[in-house]
Amino acid sequence: DTGVSQNPRHKITKRGQNVTFRCDPISEHNRLYWYRQTLGQGPEFLTYFQNEAQLEKSRLLSDRFSAERPKGSFSTLEIQRTEQGDSAMYLCASSLASTNTEAFFGQGTRLTVV
Amino acid sequence: QQQVKQSPQSLIVQKGGISIINCAYENTAFDYFPWYQQFPGKGPALLIAIRPDVSEKKEGRFTISFNKSAKQFSLHIMDSQPGDSATYFCAAKDSSASKIIFGSGTRLSIRP
Repeated sequence: DTGVSQNPRHKITKRGQNVTFRCDPISEHNRLYWYRQTLGQGPEFLTYFQNEAQLEKSRLLSDRFSAERPKGSFSTLEIQRTEQGDSAMYLCASSLASTNTEAFFGQGTRLTVV
Repeated sequence: QQQVKQSPQSLIVQKGGISIINCAYENTAFDYFPWYQQFPGKGPALLIAIRPDVSEKKEGRFTISFNKSAKQFSLHIMDSQPGDSATYFCAAKDSSASKIIFGSGTRLSIRP
């Protein structure tokens, strides 16, 4: 499968715990995005990387959230001290900077904070 | 501030009918307008996209109509099929920026 891969698909955690999600983009794509989607809403932009550089962060990304893309390939999104309001689908997408258009999404990681 | 407004929130169409979803945008710098289709438990998948230099784009049963002066665009699904039942999101992007701004989605149900 050469699409965007996200792991895990589902995560249930207790409030206050830390969680980490992984995204493997399409191999030749140099841009990687994280979005959050809550039930009944469209995806909301969180942050994006071009290669290993994190170039933009949304105001939605509180200081409990951190994202990395250490070698410009896969990326991780960590949420520290999870809150019930963090429950959502976390989507990763990737694209080619040269086309600056089409982004391909992974299937997401659904986080439930109990 | 909702930069891309989408309606209706939900839509029921008979099999074989035409499904129409509408969107309006605020930012005149937007120059790329994709539509995404999302099935339950899956990520959004690009369906069709248009740039504002054309007023219409058709791919199979899917057509985007674009009205630059009104800052509106719509998705038409001809001969709607039960397999089209999904949530559809319009979106917009400014080529000088990186992020895609999504509408709030339309849940489409096609009755057999």
